[in-house]
Parts: sequence; structure tokens; C-alpha cells
Amino acid sequence: EPEVTQTPSHQVTQMGQEVILRCVPISNHLYFYWYRQILGQKVEFLVSFYNNEISEKSEIFDDQFSVERPDGSNFTLKIRSTKLEDSAMYFCAAGGAKYEQYFGPGTRLTVT
Amino acid sequence: QKEVEQDPGPLSVPEGAIVSLNCTYSNSAFQYFMWYRQYSRKGPELLMYTYSSGNKEDGRFTAQVDKSSKYISLFIRDSQPSDSATYLCAMSAGGTYKYIFGTGTRLKVLA
Repeated sequence: EPEVTQTPSHQVTQMGQEVILRCVPISNHLYFYWYRQILGQKVEFLVSFYNNEISEKSEIFDDQFSVERPDGSNFTLKIRSTKLEDSAMYFCAAGGAKYEQYFGPGTRLTVT
Repeated sequence: QKEVEQDPGPLSVPEGAIVSLNCTYSNSAFQYFMWYRQYSRKGPELLMYTYSSGNKEDGRFTAQVDKSSKYISLFIRDSQPSDSATYLCAMSAGGTYKYIFGTGTRLKVLA
């Protein structure tokens, strides 16, 4: 089964700081996604990325968020100025087809 | 009405039982349906993916979609203690990359 990896596994940051979460999809994946899961709540879509651009984003994905694929392998999510409510598990997902999404193990972000 | 509804459980069954997990949805545009298994503090693991209506089988798992009733099911045969996890349904309409997830059903298979 394809494996998506994410780093770090746990990130603690202070409110107002910038964080970058990293994902390494499988090499033949074309579609990339970020989701988040606040503790005890459902998985929520943030953004999808295809052909080096955002293909769709949710209302959660505001100007504080950005994504990029700088070197053709890593896929990153940046939060510019973290808020307490950004504390959650952030999952990267990727797939070779539009409706195929394999999730990584997640990064637990704690904002203090 | 929530877009995707899923009974949170927990659902406890004895080892070897057939498990039925279900989701209902309200958006008739949904065409793509997925089932994920999520162990505690881990990422969702893709189990089954179906398009439109019908059945799909993979080993001990069978996914069913009934679009007329807006109801999907995942059946697990010969359940094992290692199947104990939270099962998430997710679905998407055509023309969008966004999957809407259910809240998950926690399953406990007792040895």
C-alpha cells in the first residue's frame, strides 16, 4: 500500500508564530490534500492541490494558510500566524487519481 | 440536517461476528464513497472506494451504496480484535476534490 509520510509528528508553537508542516507523497501521486481533525471532531477538508496550483479550498483555508510543493517531492502547509484554535491533527493526503486519497500519519499541532 | 451522519457508537461485537457500519447523507450529488479505518492518534487508512451505487467486495470487507436511500454500508465478515478502530465514511460529489467525512463509528471487537 502506498505510504505518505509527514513531519514533524508533533509540533508545539506559541500563538502568533509561523509553522510549516511537511508531507512527502508517493512519487507518482498527482493530487495532494490537507485535512485537519480537531480532537474529538470529524476530519475536515482544507485544500486540494493539483498541477502546482490550488484546485479547491474550504472556508477554513483563509489567508493565514498557504500550500506549496517547492521541490517536486515535498508538499507543505504553512500557517502564518497561529491561533489557539489551529490546534489539531493535520493530515496530508495524496493519490494518483482524483478520487483516491491516501492519508499520512498526521502532525499534531499544539498552539499555546 | 447534517450532510453526512454516522452513529458514533461504540459498537461492541464478539470476535467472528459480522459487523455492519452505516452512513446516511443528504446531498444527492454525492457519487464517490470511501471507507476509512482510523486507529487512535493515527491517520485514516483507506479501506474501500466505490463509485455510484452497487456493491464492492475486498477480502472480508464489502461496501454497499444505495443512492436512492442515500445510505451506504460497510460490512466486515469474521471480525477480529485487530479490527477495533474508528471507521469513517467519506463522500464527494463529482466536479469537486473535497470529501465530506462522517464523525466516525467506534468499533470494538471482543476476543
